[in-house]
Amino acid sequence: AQSVTQLGSHVSVSEGALVLLRCNYSSSVPPYLFWYVQYPNQGLQLLLKYTTGATLVKGINGFEAEFKKSETSFHLTKPSAHMSDAAEYFCAVSDRSNYQLIWGAGTKLIIKP
Amino acid sequence: DGGITQSPKYLFRKEGQNVTLSCEQNLNHDAMYWYRQDPGQGLRLIYYSQIVNDFQKGDIAEGYSVSREKKESFPLTVTSAQKNPTAFYLCASSMSLQETQYFGPGTRLLVL
Repeated sequence: AQSVTQLGSHVSVSEGALVLLRCNYSSSVPPYLFWYVQYPNQGLQLLLKYTTGATLVKGINGFEAEFKKSETSFHLTKPSAHMSDAAEYFCAVSDRSNYQLIWGAGTKLIIKP
Repeated sequence: DGGITQSPKYLFRKEGQNVTLSCEQNLNHDAMYWYRQDPGQGLRLIYYSQIVNDFQKGDIAEGYSVSREKKESFPLTVTSAQKNPTAFYLCASSMSLQETQYFGPGTRLLVL
């Protein structure tokens, strides 16, 4: 069965520093890949997605992610963290056969002033 | 303003009681979903519906029921058979199963 691993349940960075949130998946066939963000007690908002084409995907709020097939990874980055980026981030994978989303456990991003 | 609404924001359930969570969308999406979220875990799929009058069990359907009588609405009932219902419940919709899912604001269910 497909699985998604997000390394680190909590990641802490200083304001202005690079943000790197890691996501690895288990599928041998390149799936669709997603990053969502969740602010406290709210629903999830789509940050970006990869389906086909260019492997570097740009999303909202200055985030981007790169699909690396050889590493089965889809890490999320942002060059300079802002206090408003503090939230929980979820990586999800969609199997191309049944389209159901498989979710990572989430990474809580903490921004230090 | 298009979007997905969930009500209520907070819901309290007594032992042995069935409760129903509302999910409405005006995005003209065919597919709708219910997820359960527990602290430290990813989302788990309860039920999904590809089209009106059709729905399928997800990974954790036991103790839950749904209906899809209208395209816009996909209510979730948490029955007394669900022994651990305390969680955050998220509704989502998409144009089709292959398309991106968009989420409502969620309902937090607590047991009295």
